[in-house]
Amino acid sequence: KNEVEQSPQNLTAQEGEFITINCSYSVGISALHWLQQHPGGGIVSLFMLSSGKKKHGRLIATINIQEKHSSLHITASHPRDSAVYICAGNSGGSNYKLTFGKGTLLTVNP
Amino acid sequence: ETGVTQSPTHLIKTRGQQVTLRCSSQSGHNTVSWYQQALGQGPQFIFQYYREEENGRGNFPPRFSGLQFPNYSSELNVNALELDDSALYLCASSPSGAGNSPLHFGNGTRLTVT
Repeated sequence: KNEVEQSPQNLTAQEGEFITINCSYSVGISALHWLQQHPGGGIVSLFMLSSGKKKHGRLIATINIQEKHSSLHITASHPRDSAVYICAGNSGGSNYKLTFGKGTLLTVNP
Repeated sequence: ETGVTQSPTHLIKTRGQQVTLRCSSQSGHNTVSWYQQALGQGPQFIFQYYREEENGRGNFPPRFSGLQFPNYSSELNVNALELDDSALYLCASSPSGAGNSPLHFGNGTRLTVT
């Protein structure tokens, strides 16, 4: 059983819709990463957060350490947001031994 | 600044062979982490190098080994390749080995073992 679970696995939206992707983890973590992976494999780091909320453009990430839950929100979604979104937790070691979720495939239709 | 670059982009090897994958870190970054991503799965941590020393390892056998050079570039070596080693191999660099900085990923090397 993966210690980091994402939902949904697949998500299809219309351009302009508000998107939420959820991440739950069963282990204690010191930081949680949200990553974006496009077809072909390249990964871009979107956020790293250990508490509260972070915002960058149309993207917002929140985390509740007590509830072991994080969400990634996309406002005013656009077809170029189509990608796989992955959350990954760092269990507190002094390195990047991250535990990854399986990813959420987001498709935004025009 | 240059980003993280990996080479080669694609590679086909035969079971039992050995392979070396390369990663050039982003300028100023002294930490490199390697991950294996099987098709349809999330990445899995292989190991991390900080200032030329391994400082963390995932659940991978010893035939997965690595090096980090004084310029902080890195290699991943896999001996005695198995079919299950077919995957996308990603490296990521960061300016700190403490696990508290965002990671910068390369585009990966897709390895196919036949």
